[in-house]
Amino acid sequence: DAMVIQNPRYQVTQFGKPVTLSCSQTLNHNVMYWYQQKSSQAPKLLFHYYDKDFNNEADTPDNFQSRRPNTSFCFLDIRSPGLGDAAMYLCATSRDAGLAKNIQYFGAGTRLSVL
Amino acid sequence: AQKITQTQPGMFVQEKEAVTLDCTYDTSDQSYGLFWYKQPSSGEMIFLIYQGSYDEQNATEGRYSLNFQKARKSANLVISASQLGDSAMYFCAMREGGNQFYFGTGTSLTVIP
Repeated sequence: DAMVIQNPRYQVTQFGKPVTLSCSQTLNHNVMYWYQQKSSQAPKLLFHYYDKDFNNEADTPDNFQSRRPNTSFCFLDIRSPGLGDAAMYLCATSRDAGLAKNIQYFGAGTRLSVL
Repeated sequence: AQKITQTQPGMFVQEKEAVTLDCTYDTSDQSYGLFWYKQPSSGEMIFLIYQGSYDEQNATEGRYSLNFQKARKSANLVISASQLGDSAMYFCAMREGGNQFYFGTGTSLTVIP
């Protein structure tokens, strides 16, 4: 059974039209991450939550926002998608921040297209 | 400096042969974890194997093993008896004491029948 679930798998939006991607987990992990991955590149961390504490990467554009209403769910909001935001968006979870041994588990990703 | 370096953008291997994917890392921490992930064309990142900095033995998981050389700061992934389904991108990653994982640029592996 999938432990980190992302919906939808494919999302098409229009230039400038807000879009929300969702992620849920059944692992009860306290850390949740959002990555952006463009073709043939490494995943780029956008931000992460440690419980309710939000940690933004310094180079994440303001256009990207996130919400974590409870332990299980985390959302990525793109307020005004541009053509450059077309990418795969990966959600991941991890247990007990601060311990190097804790594995990061990923969802299947949402592939975003911007028309 | 890059935390994780993967110097092989693409690799080819004959089916049933073994292949080694290289990974070097940079850290001054004593406690850290090293991970390998597989990403097929479908996009999902699949965890393969973990090696802790204090682990004395090389990690193994089925056909995957990690050749950990701490003094050289390398953590190479060895896939034995390659299968066509092993064709994918492979990412090496490191976690130090905090929340962040550092990823390499990946190696694209193609298994040839």
